[in-house]
Amino acid sequence: AQTVTQSQPEMSVQEAETVTLSCTYDTSESDYYLFWYKQPPSRQMILVIRQEAYKQQNATENRFSVNFQKAAKSFSLKISDSQLGDAAMYFCAYTSYTDKLIFGTGTRLQVFP
Amino acid sequence: DGGITQSPKYLFRKEGQNVTLSCEQNLNHDAMYWYRQDPGQGLRLIYYSQIVNDFQKGDIAEGYSVSREKKESFPLTVTSAQKNPTAFYLCASSLGLAGVGDTQYFGPGTRLTVL
Repeated sequence: AQTVTQSQPEMSVQEAETVTLSCTYDTSESDYYLFWYKQPPSRQMILVIRQEAYKQQNATENRFSVNFQKAAKSFSLKISDSQLGDAAMYFCAYTSYTDKLIFGTGTRLQVFP
Repeated sequence: DGGITQSPKYLFRKEGQNVTLSCEQNLNHDAMYWYRQDPGQGLRLIYYSQIVNDFQKGDIAEGYSVSREKKESFPLTVTSAQKNPTAFYLCASSLGLAGVGDTQYFGPGTRLTVL
């Protein structure tokens, strides 16, 4: 069965610095999709970034970028120039052709001024 | 404004009662989902639906029921058979199913507490 592992329950970063959140996954599929979602204190899940496994190029969205290592089954999220509003829970998620989105347990990110 | 609405935001239930959580979307999405979130855990799938009048069990369907009579609506009933219903419930929708990589968009959630 596919699994998603986020090994960092909590991370912290200073404002304007860069932080990387880790995510690994287990799958035997070759085609799949990976996501990072942000859950701020309001608790509404917001899409941060999406990656298609067949694309070699790492996805980027403004200050957010991923390091997708398909062979290592790793999908880390880099947040550059961290802002106070980035403080949230971040969830990594995986889906293939099973029609289900599988989530990791999340990483709580604190941002200090 | 296009989006997903869930109501109520907070819901209190006495033991033995059934309660229904509302989820409505105006994104014209075909697929809709219900997730449960507990502290320290990721989201777990309860039910999903890819088309009107059709739905599938997720990983933790026991004690829950759903209906999909309209494309834009996917209510979740938490029955008295659900042993530990206190949790945060999130509804989501996507253009197609998760398996084709379509992004799921989430509502603001409902916090259910059993008294």
